[in-house]
This record gives sequence, structure tokens and C-alpha cells, in this order.
Amino acid sequence: QVQLVDSGGGVVQPGGSLRLSCAASGFTFSSYAMHWVRQAPVKGLEWVAVISYDGTNKYYADSVKGRFTISRDNSKNTLYLQMNSLRVEDTAVYYCARTVSSGCYSPVDYWGQGTLVTVSS
Amino acid sequence: DIQMTQSPSSLSASVGDRVTITCRASQGISNSLAWFQQKPGKAPKSLIYAASSLQSGVPSKFSGSGSGTDFTLTISSLQPEDFATYYCQQYKSYPITFGQGTRLEIK
Repeated sequence: QVQLVDSGGGVVQPGGSLRLSCAASGFTFSSYAMHWVRQAPVKGLEWVAVISYDGTNKYYADSVKGRFTISRDNSKNTLYLQMNSLRVEDTAVYYCARTVSSGCYSPVDYWGQGTLVTVSS
Repeated sequence: DIQMTQSPSSLSASVGDRVTITCRASQGISNSLAWFQQKPGKAPKSLIYAASSLQSGVPSKFSGSGSGTDFTLTISSLQPEDFATYYCQQYKSYPITFGQGTRLEIK
């Protein structure tokens, strides 16, 4: 069965860095585009970034552009989110999510369980 | 950016009721619209994609309709496990955007 396991969250000071991981299993990871979506405490869902199946196409929300980098290692079935220059407003639960196909313009079907990032001094 | 507006923001209903949630896009998105269910402390669950197609394993009590700018999610015969927050999302263009959510509560 499809499984996505998010990890790497924690507490970091403003200006710091963190790398999130999403370990995928139960499907051919290299055939699917993948997203990161976040949810601040008691807030709604906010899309963060997407990467195509082969890593050639990437899109970012304006709120993270230039600070966050999405990447993937298809040999390790793992999705990453490198987060630099973190701000208090980046505090959120971060979810990885799989799309239904290889392209970036397709809907999401499966979600990871989420990992909490807290940016605080 | 495409703005997604859901109504109502909250809704009270009873077990057995049928409810409808509306989502409006600020510009046409064809049928590139998805619906998600989220329970407190849990990851979202995908319900519907392409405005009206059920994700695998989702019961037929959930249905979606619409195209262009106006969309609806209907849940028939509400059960206790259906009380949650529901979000719409457009994936027609980047940045992908979500509605603000509709909290469905037990009356």
C-alpha cells in the first residue's frame, strides 16, 4: 500500500535551517510528481512547493521562494524540503503529498502524516 | 493568483442530514478542482478530484459537481465520522491555492 512518512521537523531559531524528508513506499516513486503542503497552527492548508517525477520542473509559493528548495532522490524513494532563513511565520505542520501522475498539474491522492516545524527564539 | 472562496465557513448539521458546501474560484479553472477532508490532528484525506471524480476508496455518499468557477461538495446521510473540516483546492495554475475551509459540526 502507498505510504509516505514525513520526518525532520523540530525546533529551530529564526534564521536557521532544517531539512525535511518524506520516505515513500508501496509505489514506483520515480513515476509521480510530489508536493509539500503546510498548515500553521489553527490555520488552513497552504501549498508550498511541487517537483515533477524526474526533478526537472519545480514551482514554489511566493512566501518560500528563494529560501526553500524542493528536491528528490529517486534511488532512495525520498522527497526533501531544504528550508533556509526560517521565519517565525514558517511554523507549521509540513505534509508531503503524492500526485496521481508524473506531471505537476495533476491532483493529489495520498498524504504523509506530517512533521512539525517550530521556528522560535 | 487564483482565490478560492468556500461557503459557509462553518456548518452545523445532524446525523442523517444531507449537506452542501460551495467553493468559488476567482477565475475559471475548468474542472481542476479537488476536495479534501481533515479531522483534528490528522493529515488531510483526498476525497474528490477533477471536480466530480471520487478518489479510490471514498464512499459514494460524497459527490462533487461544477466547472469553471462554481463548485459544490455534497455529503449525503451524515455519519459521526463525517464531521470534520473540508477544503477545496484548485490545481489549474500555480500557485496552487486552497479555500479557507468549512468546519462541519454536529448539531
